[in-house]
Amino acid sequence: AQKVTQAQTEISVVEKEDVTLDCVYETRDTTYYLFWYKQPPSGELVFLIRRNSFDEQNEISGRYSWNFQKSTSSFNFTITASQVVDSAVYFCALSEAGYSTLTFGKGTMLLVSP
Amino acid sequence: GAVVSQHPSRVICKSGTSVKIECRSLDFQATTMFWYRQFPKQSLMLMATSNEGSKATYEQGVEKDKFLINHASLTLSTLTVTSAHPEDSSFYICSARGRTGLGNEQYFGPGTRLTVT
Repeated sequence: AQKVTQAQTEISVVEKEDVTLDCVYETRDTTYYLFWYKQPPSGELVFLIRRNSFDEQNEISGRYSWNFQKSTSSFNFTITASQVVDSAVYFCALSEAGYSTLTFGKGTMLLVSP
Repeated sequence: GAVVSQHPSRVICKSGTSVKIECRSLDFQATTMFWYRQFPKQSLMLMATSNEGSKATYEQGVEKDKFLINHASLTLSTLTVTSAHPEDSSFYICSARGRTGLGNEQYFGPGTRLTVT
């Protein structure tokens, strides 16, 4: 069975601070995919990144970066120099191979204040 | 590319009535569509998976007679909430996966907020 844990329920930071959102996953498959989504107050899910289990390279996209570590089953997400527009709920999700379903973590609400 | 739409975006209905929510893949053929429900301040919970032309597979605890899913074409799936009650009020999100979806990627619709009075 697959499971995703986002231990941080809410995080509050002041603009320009760096913030890391944690994600720990469990799976028995050797092939799987990890995702991060952003859900602003409007409700629409915004896809941020997909990473497959064979690619442990960290990724940077602008102010966003992701640290994938299979040894600790973690896929953490860092926002550098946070902005008010980053305020949203962020979900980490896992999908095992074979076109299986997505399992979401409970989400982390990020509040960036000016 | 890979755009999914949902209609309506918001609906209010009276208790006991039925409401239909449409999910469309606009620029790709969706062999599989998923329906999620999200209560306030909670995560997305998968309700059912539907493959085009076959019956939906419901997750444990989801009443198939209450939440009717039809995936009649490769671009359209509908969710009908029958005899809706206030506890069915929620945010319903669909997603779609195409034939050549890379990395199991699902493309999400913008969601439908259902309020049952």
